[in-house]
Amino acid sequence: DAGITQSPRYKITETGRQVTLMCHQTWSHSYMFWYRQDLGHGLRLIYYSAAADITDKGEVPDGYVVSRSKTENFPLTLESATRSQTSVYFCASRAQGAVLGAEQYFGPGTRLTVT
Amino acid sequence: AQSVTQPDIHITVSEGASLELRCNYSYGATPYLFWYVQSPGQGLQLLLKYFSGDTLVQGIKGFEAEFKRSQSSFNLRKPSVHWSDAAEYFCAVGAWEYGNKLVFGAGTILRVKS
Repeated sequence: DAGITQSPRYKITETGRQVTLMCHQTWSHSYMFWYRQDLGHGLRLIYYSAAADITDKGEVPDGYVVSRSKTENFPLTLESATRSQTSVYFCASRAQGAVLGAEQYFGPGTRLTVT
Repeated sequence: AQSVTQPDIHITVSEGASLELRCNYSYGATPYLFWYVQSPGQGLQLLLKYFSGDTLVQGIKGFEAEFKRSQSSFNLRKPSVHWSDAAEYFCAVGAWEYGNKLVFGAGTILRVKS
């Protein structure tokens, strides 16, 4: 299906475990983003990528790792999950270029609980 | 630092009443602005955006927003709210000078009374 998808949609894991959240988009958008959504904070940027093999930190990158070997995929890995990483994670994508007002398109989110 | 403030965490309005959701930003660059809506358990959907031109912008679902540079505001309005508008609304700001990354407000939860 066309669009942006995330998997899994729900995940429960234990403290210290490694977890990978997947994001896939079919538009060939250059830019991809990972956000976390927490009550009272809105969405905060974790990492973003301007193209394959180009990634950069956002506002809250600690404890997360990303990679982007293919344009369409942007996985987010929690190397050693902590309870503070319990959150809803959203992936987004945007078309290339410094286009003013270019919209970001969001996936449906992954609800992660770390016990 | 760039920041976006949505002063109202919750707003309750009666169905058919008018609505205004507030958004103020602090940005050291020429901003472009968005309003997104999130229904429970869903991702974010774009309602409208402003990047240049007419400061009053129209969006989907009957929403509009007005950019006021002097007040650093981008308030969202709707003349008559429907029960299906109950959701969480996010204001977001970006700028080319900051790599087009968006900064989001904390969100406003809208409840609609029948």
